Amino acid sequence: GQNIDQPTEMTATEGAIVQINCTYQTSGFNGLFWYQQHAGEAPTFLSYNVLDGLEEKGRFSSFLSRSKGYSYLLLKELQMKDSASYLCAVRDLESGGSYIPTFGRGTSLIVHP
Amino acid sequence: DVKVTQSSRYLVKRTGEKVFLECVQDMDHENMFWYRQDPGLGLRLIYFSYDVKMKEKGDIPEGYSVSREKKERFSLILESASTNQTSMYLCASSLLTSGSSYEQYFGPGTRLTVT
Repeated sequence: GQNIDQPTEMTATEGAIVQINCTYQTSGFNGLFWYQQHAGEAPTFLSYNVLDGLEEKGRFSSFLSRSKGYSYLLLKELQMKDSASYLCAVRDLESGGSYIPTFGRGTSLIVHP
Repeated sequence: DVKVTQSSRYLVKRTGEKVFLECVQDMDHENMFWYRQDPGLGLRLIYFSYDVKMKEKGDIPEGYSVSREKKERFSLILESASTNQTSMYLCASSLLTSGSSYEQYFGPGTRLTVT
């Protein structure tokens, strides 16, 4: 299985940049996902990394280092609507051959004016 | 657009009742999942299915069972509901993964309260 760690809560100011880190331990790594979840809503997909490096998608970027078991989600030009929980999920090859993502506990981001 | 729907947004049941939570997806996805989400514990996998009539236990299957008779429908069953099963239940689906970036699509969730 995996051991996925991310900070419980972060706060930031509107217009600023925030980096949410995720560390993991896995034996059969097969991709890392970031999801956004607003309070009372379903998680929605933000990004996917399977190779080392930075993936940029508008104001959001995600970085992966497989050798370090580390990823981060970078949010630029923060807006109030970015206040949400951000979930890191790691996909691993289970012994049975199924690729099942395991979720971290999520990071609650609070953006204030 | 992928749509995953769940039968109820809110449900209140009594201890000992049998509870059915239904999930339907309309994108012909092979994989379907049931999670529960609790404060401070995140999303925990209960069961998943990668094909009709196939099911695999997740991390916390105790007290739950599932059924997948049709590809688009995945049901979660609480045989005898208990108060510690009060939670938010989320269904998800995805294409069969084998090294591809097939993300999960989540339903809106069912908030179950067992009294």
